Amino acid sequence: GQNIDQPTEMTATEGAIVQINCTYQTSGFNGLFWYQQHAGEAPTFLSYNVLDGLEEKGRFSSFLSRSKGYSYLLLKELQMKDSASYLCAVSYQKVTFGIGTKLQVIP
Amino acid sequence: GAGVSQSPSNKVTEKGKDVELRCDPISGHTALYWYRQSLGQGLEFLIYFQGNSAPDKSGLPSDRFSAERTGGSVSTLTIQRTQQEDSAVYLCASSSAGQAMNTEAFFGQGTRLTVV
Repeated sequence: GQNIDQPTEMTATEGAIVQINCTYQTSGFNGLFWYQQHAGEAPTFLSYNVLDGLEEKGRFSSFLSRSKGYSYLLLKELQMKDSASYLCAVSYQKVTFGIGTKLQVIP
Repeated sequence: GAGVSQSPSNKVTEKGKDVELRCDPISGHTALYWYRQSLGQGLEFLIYFQGNSAPDKSGLPSDRFSAERTGGSVSTLTIQRTQQEDSAVYLCASSSAGQAMNTEAFFGQGTRLTVV
């Protein structure tokens, strides 16, 4: 398989910064997506990385290292509404999703 | 339509019955995916369509599962002789991407299937 690994759960404090890591198998890699999924809802797109480096989009940033098979999603100035699962998804011949990281933001 | 539409939103069926789930993708999107998500689990890939053809059916769990897409638009996922382990949320997503799959997919709200 593509061995997409990410932590299953994380907890962070409102106003803080949290980094969610994702590692994947590099063979056949085309690009990497991050999605947000609130409980009981459909996933929504956050970011797409295909080149090495950091992509910043407001409070959310996503980083990719192709050679290391590593990505992270950085969330700044955490808000309570950021409590959700964050799914790392890699495009090979098809898009394969990781199990997701359930983030709980506490006051 | 404005987004990906799935129907029904909820389906309760008796074990052994057949069910049909429908997905209406965003107009013009050539790529269509079906995923399954069990409670607290990640997304499990089922099948991928590019136009009306399915280059990758590798995720279909058994021969009780089949899917088709007509007119490059609406897709139906059929589960025959449903079993309790088929209970899950079935998510459909569409994308404008071709084979490179380098654009984001837009998800429908899913069909929650419960087999009793």
